[in-house]
Parts: sequence; C-alpha cells; structure tokens
Amino acid sequence: NAGVTQTPKFQVLKTGQSMTLQCAQDMNHNSMYWYRQDPGMGLRLIYYSASEGTTDKGEVPNGYNVSRLNKREFSLRLESAAPSQTSVYFCASSDPGHSPLHFGNGTRLTVT
Amino acid sequence: GNSVTQMEGPVTLSEEAFLTINCTYTATGYPSLFWYVQYPGEGLQLLLKATKADDKGSNKGFEATYRKETTSFHLEKGSVQVSDSAVYFCALSRPNAGKSTFGDGTTLTVKP
Repeated sequence: NAGVTQTPKFQVLKTGQSMTLQCAQDMNHNSMYWYRQDPGMGLRLIYYSASEGTTDKGEVPNGYNVSRLNKREFSLRLESAAPSQTSVYFCASSDPGHSPLHFGNGTRLTVT
Repeated sequence: GNSVTQMEGPVTLSEEAFLTINCTYTATGYPSLFWYVQYPGEGLQLLLKATKADDKGSNKGFEATYRKETTSFHLEKGSVQVSDSAVYFCALSRPNAGKSTFGDGTTLTVKP
C-alpha cells in the first residue's frame, strides 16, 4: 500500500532557483494538501485542493504555486526559492467528512 | 477562527510512567478531533480520533475523550514505552470545511 508518495525526499537549492515538489496518492481521495513544518511552528497549510480542478490558498501561500494535475496528483512549485523556504514539506490527502489526513513522508528542502 | 493549543514540550518520562499531553481547542460548530504521531524522519500518522462530544478515541494504549464543556481532548497513556518516543500533534477539522488546524506538537522522549 503506497498511500501518499512524495518526491524528492531531499533537495538543496540556491536562492533564486526553481523546483517542483511532486505528490501522488492512490487512495482515491478527493482532497489534497501541502503543509510546511518548521521547528516550534507546527504545521502550516500552504495550499489545498478540495477536489480535482480546484485549489485554494492556506495560511502561508506566498512564494508558492500549486497544480492539481488530476485526482491523484498535486504538485507544489517554488518559482524563485528563498532561504525562508527552507523547511520540511508534507503532502496529505483525505476524504471529506470526519476522515483524517494521510501524510507522505515529506521532502526536506534547504535553500542556501 | 479555529485554533488548537497544546501543552508545551518537550516531555521526558521514564518507561512505564503515566503520560498526559493537554490539548484545548477553539472552533465554531462541531469539529472532529484527532491526535497524530510523527516518528523521526516520517510523516504524521493518525493515532486516534473522536467525532462528537463524549466520544473516546483509543489506539495502542493511548486514549483521549472529546470534552465539549471544557473544549479539550487530552491524550493519555497509562504506561509509556521507549518506542512511544515521538512528536504528538493535536488537530481539529470541521466536516466538509476542507482544512485541518494543528497544534504546535509536543515532543515525547521515554527513557529506559
């Protein structure tokens, strides 16, 4: 059971470079999410997609864009990376209602 | 808006000690409440949940009761093990509202 798969696991970027974080889920969930996790700040929602074809901003969307490519895949793009975007990024998916989130294992990103 | 406040960590206990991690919330309506656990290098995974007042969620010896009168969902375990060392997150979601709100996480270390 793959669940939620994120790639890459690790990435180092220089300031100003761009990259796309990939996420795919095989549970047929409608909703998908991108969070970042920073020490002492818990998880903060960057963007989410309630269903295929829709995306909405979360708490900290600046500097990021997303694409819900199809029901399975939800990518996060950094157009011009900044050191403040050094973080661990988690993708998650869920069904509507009382369902919990299912998380991937994260992408650890360092921007120098 | 919605918010979750967790007991500050880190928490260090000896094996077989009793564990309580406090969690209180603020939310409109009738949220579902969750505890997630994160082991080193991994994503969050659901530990237990409760979807209505007075429900008790339980899993792997952990328990939490949804207390609407005190807006709390405290996590307890009667006898912790070294393998319980992890970061614990309290979270809430409102059905069909799309987004979850997380506490900042509490790091638990259990010493043999």
